[in-house]
Amino acid sequence: AQSVTQPDIHITVSEGASLELRCNYSYGATPYLFWYVQSPGQGLQLLLKYFSGDTLVQGIKGFEAEFKRSQSSFNLRKPSVHWSDAAEYFCAVGGSGTYKYIFGTGTRLKVLA
Amino acid sequence: EAGVTQFPSHSVIEKGQTVTLRCDPISGHDNLYWYRRVMGKEIKFLLHFVKESKQDESGMPNNRFLAERTGGTYSTLKVQPAELEDSGVYFCASSPRGLAGPQHFGDGTRLSIL
Repeated sequence: AQSVTQPDIHITVSEGASLELRCNYSYGATPYLFWYVQSPGQGLQLLLKYFSGDTLVQGIKGFEAEFKRSQSSFNLRKPSVHWSDAAEYFCAVGGSGTYKYIFGTGTRLKVLA
Repeated sequence: EAGVTQFPSHSVIEKGQTVTLRCDPISGHDNLYWYRRVMGKEIKFLLHFVKESKQDESGMPNNRFLAERTGGTYSTLKVQPAELEDSGVYFCASSPRGLAGPQHFGDGTRLSIL
């Protein structure tokens, strides 16, 4: 079955600390992978995407993610978190032959001053 | 360019009533999608339009939900009659022609059924 797992429902980090949000997927075809962020009162904003090529992708707001096919993972990282990064983060997978995205349940990030 | 816009941002109705949600995609985007997030759960696909044609409506929960996209521009999602389990946030997204383009999402409509 196709699925996305975000094992951490909540994460709390201090401002300036590094961040890694985990995402594992199960998908039968070549995956297209995405990270979206939803800030309070806002919609879903695309942070970054992976279709093919370099497995380390850079996104907006200083975020990056690494695709590891052998581990079926697409973890999101940021070296130094800012208070404005407090939001909910969603990992999603799509693929060739389908327009349908499958989302994880989200990880809510809290940032301590 | 203007993003995906959804209206209303929040709707509160009683069980048994009818509600219509509207989505205006990014201009020129042929693909339009509806998703729903029930509280605390994942965002789930409802359906996909290419222009005015429904390509995939496999995620529609039941026949109380009706989506239309007349003229291939904006789309509406009507729930009639609304049930308690329909509460959640309804997201609309759009993308240009082709599979590679990422989907751009609106701010969502929060639907509360009392």
